[in-house]
Amino acid sequence: NAGVTQTPKFQVLKTGQSMTLQCAQDMNHNSMYWYRQDPGMGLRLIYYSASEGTTDKGEVPNGYNVSRLNKREFSLRLESAAPSQTSVYFCASSAGTSAITDTQYFGPGTRLTVL
Amino acid sequence: GEDVEQSLFLSVREGDSSVINCTYTDSSSTYLYWYKQEPGAGLQLLTYIFSNMDMKQDQRLTVLLNKKDKHLSLRIADTQTGDSAIYFCAETPLNNNDMRFGAGTRLTVKP
Repeated sequence: NAGVTQTPKFQVLKTGQSMTLQCAQDMNHNSMYWYRQDPGMGLRLIYYSASEGTTDKGEVPNGYNVSRLNKREFSLRLESAAPSQTSVYFCASSAGTSAITDTQYFGPGTRLTVL
Repeated sequence: GEDVEQSLFLSVREGDSSVINCTYTDSSSTYLYWYKQEPGAGLQLLTYIFSNMDMKQDQRLTVLLNKKDKHLSLRIADTQTGDSAIYFCAETPLNNNDMRFGAGTRLTVKP
């Protein structure tokens, strides 16, 4: 039981390049989330998916797209990376469909640098 | 803007108690959480409290909630070097899947 896994762990991009961050969970959770963590700002929600086939915007969705490929996987795509997207990205999942009552389990993070 | 605020650093000696404080602004918050992040790892849920509770104790951890002042604290008794980490406070407003996190408090435990 690996919990929440993320790939890659580290990535360096040039401005304008695109890439997809992968996230998978093996806990049969319904909800999945993408956060970014910036120094001194805490985590901010980018997008979330309350169930397979649905996605919703969080606090900071601009510049990102997501895909809930199936119940296990939730990917985050940067179509044209910008230096402002340099951050550590965390994926999380929870059993139910509401962050209010469900414990979220976090992946180890992806450290992205955009030059 | 910052909905959840924490002091950034705390240093204690091994064996002492640590108290990490957090303030939040959303009076409709229903659940408040404490997460621990060790170097190179994701966030680990330590404990959470419902907003209708004043206190919750779990082994060495005690969470106190002052809903009137919107103040949350985490007390770690008999702090050990393995407790050195960043501790995040988080809240979930009512009817919203958006969990808001503080910036994290870096706890350093000195031998």
